[in-house]
Amino acid sequence: DAKTTQPNSMESNEEEPVHLPCNHSTISGTDYIHWYRQLPSQGPEYVIHGLTSNVNNRMASLAIAEDRKSSTLILHRATLRDAAVYYCIRDAGNMLTFGGGTRLMVKP
Amino acid sequence: EAGVAQSPRYKIIEKRQSVAFWCNPISGHATLYWYQQILGQGPKLLIQFQNNGVVDDSQLPKDRFSAERLKGVDSTLKIQPAKLEDSAVYLCASSAWGSTDTQYFGPGTRLTVL
Repeated sequence: DAKTTQPNSMESNEEEPVHLPCNHSTISGTDYIHWYRQLPSQGPEYVIHGLTSNVNNRMASLAIAEDRKSSTLILHRATLRDAAVYYCIRDAGNMLTFGGGTRLMVKP
Repeated sequence: EAGVAQSPRYKIIEKRQSVAFWCNPISGHATLYWYQQILGQGPKLLIQFQNNGVVDDSQLPKDRFSAERLKGVDSTLKIQPAKLEDSAVYLCASSAWGSTDTQYFGPGTRLTVL
């Protein structure tokens, strides 16, 4: 089962950090974790991905638990433009299976 | 670098009619994907091409959906005949090589079947 578990929605204040959790308790040792986000009326866009260690890029940081059963996407300072649906995807090497994602709402 | 292009952006048809969607991936990308996204759900992969060969079409309803990628570049997705439950956004994506590589999505085609 390649599914992940995410909260349906989260709320954040503008300019504050946001931590988006993802549970992937059945992950295997070679599965990557990918995060994509989908802004309203657009196709999904890549955010970040990782395997074991924490990862940083210009958009976000990805913290992966030591047992790899969960991960957290961190937006360091949320802006109104970060309001989107965030998908955590376990990559088993054959295809990306999108779940329902977390809808992030950012309040000014 | 130009992104993934899709057309049309919107299409309204009646049930039992036919419809076709077109996708032009990022230049040089070997892998092309078609996803269906029903309102309120995440995208669901319908078919994946590697160059002009099909890698995975296990979730494509083959009795009514067909797709081709001639010459390993552009692709078309066809529905014939359409049903009410086909109302969705059809997303095309491409990646440089395989599915584990970053996928770049087009804006999608919103299909409404009446």
